[in-house]
Amino acid sequence: GQSLEQPSEVTAVEGAIVQINCTYQTSGFYGLSWYQQHDGGAPTFLSYNALDGLEETGRFSSFLSRSDSYGYLLLQELQMKDSASYFCAVRPPGGGNKLTFGTGTQLKVEL
Amino acid sequence: NAGVTQTPKFRILKIGQSMTLQCTQDMNHNYMYWYRQDPGMGLKLIYYSVGAGITDKGEVPNGYNVSRSTTEDFPLRLELAAPSQTSVYFCASNSGGSNEQFFGPGTRLTVL
Repeated sequence: GQSLEQPSEVTAVEGAIVQINCTYQTSGFYGLSWYQQHDGGAPTFLSYNALDGLEETGRFSSFLSRSDSYGYLLLQELQMKDSASYFCAVRPPGGGNKLTFGTGTQLKVEL
Repeated sequence: NAGVTQTPKFRILKIGQSMTLQCTQDMNHNYMYWYRQDPGMGLKLIYYSVGAGITDKGEVPNGYNVSRSTTEDFPLRLELAAPSQTSVYFCASNSGGSNEQFFGPGTRLTVL
């Protein structure tokens, strides 16, 4: 099975850089995804790492290390609108493109 | 494109009642999913479908049923509502070659 753990809450100031970690115990997976969810909203896709290393998309970057069973989402130049919950997710083996989500990290950006 | 739409947005059920949560997507995606999200928690997969006529159980299927008669629609049925089914339900879809799932706005269900 899959188990993904994230810190429950992270606080940072506007303009700063923050890293949200995701550690996992899984028998195998195709890739690691990250989703953002604002309060009362739907999850929206941020990034996907199929291979080890860093993927950069604007202010957001995501990293995966399969040997360390670890990944992270890096948010730069934080803005107030980045206050949201962030979820890592893995696509386990088997059909269907289905995802197993982590517990989620609530990011609070302060002035 | 409207993307993924869900109805209703909110619903209150009494214990033992039944209801169907509707989900429609207009992106011609083969894959569709139902998740539930309890307060402060991640999403858990209830059922998924890889195409019309094909459905399979996810992590938490008990108490739910699905059908997929068309590519566009993927309704979720609750037969005998229980308080443990109080949650926010999200429908999602994607194409077979994509790693991005597109989510609907959610249905907030309370069972009293």
